[in-house]
Amino acid sequence: GNSVTQMEGPVTLSEEAFLTINCTYTATGYPSLFWYVQYPGEGLQLLLKATKADDKGSNKGFEATYRKETTSFHLEKGSVQVSDSAVYFCALRGTGNQFYFGTGTSLTVIP
Amino acid sequence: DAGVIQSPRHEVTEMGQEVTLRCKPISGHNSLFWYRQTMMRGLELLIYFNNNVPIDDSGMPEDRFSAKMPNASFSTLKIQPSEPRDSAVYFCASRPTSGTDTQYFGPGTRLTVL
Repeated sequence: GNSVTQMEGPVTLSEEAFLTINCTYTATGYPSLFWYVQYPGEGLQLLLKATKADDKGSNKGFEATYRKETTSFHLEKGSVQVSDSAVYFCALRGTGNQFYFGTGTSLTVIP
Repeated sequence: DAGVIQSPRHEVTEMGQEVTLRCKPISGHNSLFWYRQTMMRGLELLIYFNNNVPIDDSGMPEDRFSAKMPNASFSTLKIQPSEPRDSAVYFCASRPTSGTDTQYFGPGTRLTVL
């Protein structure tokens, strides 16, 4: 079946630190992979996505590369800001219409 | 476009009462999803519709939960009777017909059942 496993938080970093949030997946076929971000009191927003192996999704300084050989889609950012404080969700869309979300990783960036 | 619209944004009710959550998807989107988010269980898919037809409701917790989509621009999630363990944030999301497989989420309804 389809599932997503992401690293548990919470993660606390100082401003300008390097960020990695790990995500691995299990899927049948060739899923599309996503990172969503949820700011306090808001709904989830798409951060980036990749639709096939070796694709790199990027947005707002965040990047993630679709690694089929390791079934991973780790989120990275070279220098985090206070405004990046949020909950980050890894997700996949398999065949059909259904999305599968990870449990979310809370990130707090302190000045 | 206003995005996905959900109402109410906050709902406080007493155990045993009926609760109705509402969602207006983005115009032109033909798929609609209802999710529940709690600290314990994270984000759970409850049900999704395609062209107003329920496709997968295996995530609906029990018979107290029901969802309808009478037309392309409106959906409801009803809980009757409500229980304290139903307290959560309920999100609606919609997806376009084609061209992208991205879901667009509403702001959520925070439900508290006392």
